[in-house]
Amino acid sequence: GESVGLHLPTLSVQEGDNSIINCAYSNSASDYFIWYKQESGKGPQFIIDIRSNMDKRQGQRVTVLLNKTVKHLSLQIAATQPGDSAVYFCAETFPGNQFYFGTGTSLTVIP
Amino acid sequence: EAGVAQSPRYKIIEKRQSVAFWCNPISGHATLYWYQQILGQGPKLLIQFQNNGVVDDSQLPKDRFSAERLKGVDSTLKIQPAKLEDSAVYLCASSLFGRSYNEQFFGPGTRLTVL
Repeated sequence: GESVGLHLPTLSVQEGDNSIINCAYSNSASDYFIWYKQESGKGPQFIIDIRSNMDKRQGQRVTVLLNKTVKHLSLQIAATQPGDSAVYFCAETFPGNQFYFGTGTSLTVIP
Repeated sequence: EAGVAQSPRYKIIEKRQSVAFWCNPISGHATLYWYQQILGQGPKLLIQFQNNGVVDDSQLPKDRFSAERLKGVDSTLKIQPAKLEDSAVYLCASSLFGRSYNEQFFGPGTRLTVL
């Protein structure tokens, strides 16, 4: 099966600091990646996506970086807020295939 | 726009019993997905429907799990009989199309506990 993993299962940051969540993927054929945020008791919520023809994509306070050489994906959250506390998943796919989700990183923001 | 609806939100059953989950996707979304999310893990796809046809059910334990999507709208997922290892959150998601580059919208999930 596919292997989409995260380097750190938990991450604690001070409010206002920047957060970086990492993800490694194993399938070099994957060409589309999504970061999801999942709050307790809720389903995953789309944050940002990136296609393999890009190295970087920015959203509102979030940036996703893709390094295809080492099959690595990261999510950067600027000025982390208490509302950012959640579990973050990366997911990968390629044409005709399903999405594979990583294990998740639990982000805790310390006020 | 209304999101993906799921019911019930919680269910507790004993092993070997049967259980059914219901999902109502976002209006107009052709593709519907059922995922299983075991505690501490990411969601794992069980089955994907395109309208009322099955696109991918390769990871569905067909000896005990079944799913249908009547009229290409609502869907039910059934487990019969349930095992202890079926304890998980069952997530339903929908998307406009089933291709890549297409955002999936998730429902709140049904938390199943099998005793």
